[in-house]
Amino acid sequence: EAGVAQSPRYKIIEKRQSVAFWCNPISGHATLYWYQQILGQGPKLLIQFQNNGVVDDSQLPKDRFSAERLKGVDSTLKIQPAKLEDSAVYLCASSLRQGSNQPQHFGDGTRLSIL
Amino acid sequence: AQSVSQHNHHVILSEAASLELGCNYSYGGTVNLFWYVQYPGQHLQLLLKYFSGDPLVKGIKGFEAEFIKSKFSFNLRKPSVQWSDTAEYFCAVENNAGNMLTFGGGTRLMVKP
Repeated sequence: EAGVAQSPRYKIIEKRQSVAFWCNPISGHATLYWYQQILGQGPKLLIQFQNNGVVDDSQLPKDRFSAERLKGVDSTLKIQPAKLEDSAVYLCASSLRQGSNQPQHFGDGTRLSIL
Repeated sequence: AQSVSQHNHHVILSEAASLELGCNYSYGGTVNLFWYVQYPGQHLQLLLKYFSGDPLVKGIKGFEAEFIKSKFSFNLRKPSVQWSDTAEYFCAVENNAGNMLTFGGGTRLMVKP
């Protein structure tokens, strides 16, 4: 099966600019996740969708980060405006459905560098 | 909220040595436990998982992990490592409703040929 697709792979922007990342989950996966992985740390969950609804966004910095999954398939994560501390790899993952005892499958991530 | 602690940040072993990576978590309820691996230049991949049943779980590539509920631990083991096991290993825990997968800080393993 095709894996989780993310684009772009790399992005370099200046602070205060805006940036958007795109994710297409594995076909048929109802649950989609966005993680932030800062260098030297484990991934941190930002937001979790079940179909097109938000399950958990408690760790999403809502003053600058937003995410949507309008049709319950692919998703975008946006940062506006970016800060230096947002430099990280942004990972998207999907699973069959929440609570299904199915593990998450991860994409390759987008490496974001803020100048 | 749950948290995960991995005791070793960097481990260096010679080929054929035995491996044990520590993982402890804190959470008051029932949990699902995972080990993920990230090989250089690749995405995170599931190594093994525990949801219920036998606390000794076997994963891919000869890895296994043991869930000890009384110690809140889920240590990863392999009896004989290979150079190809060089990677970063992440322990993770989620509540049994499938929410809030929380990762540890990772252990970077280097196996010398």
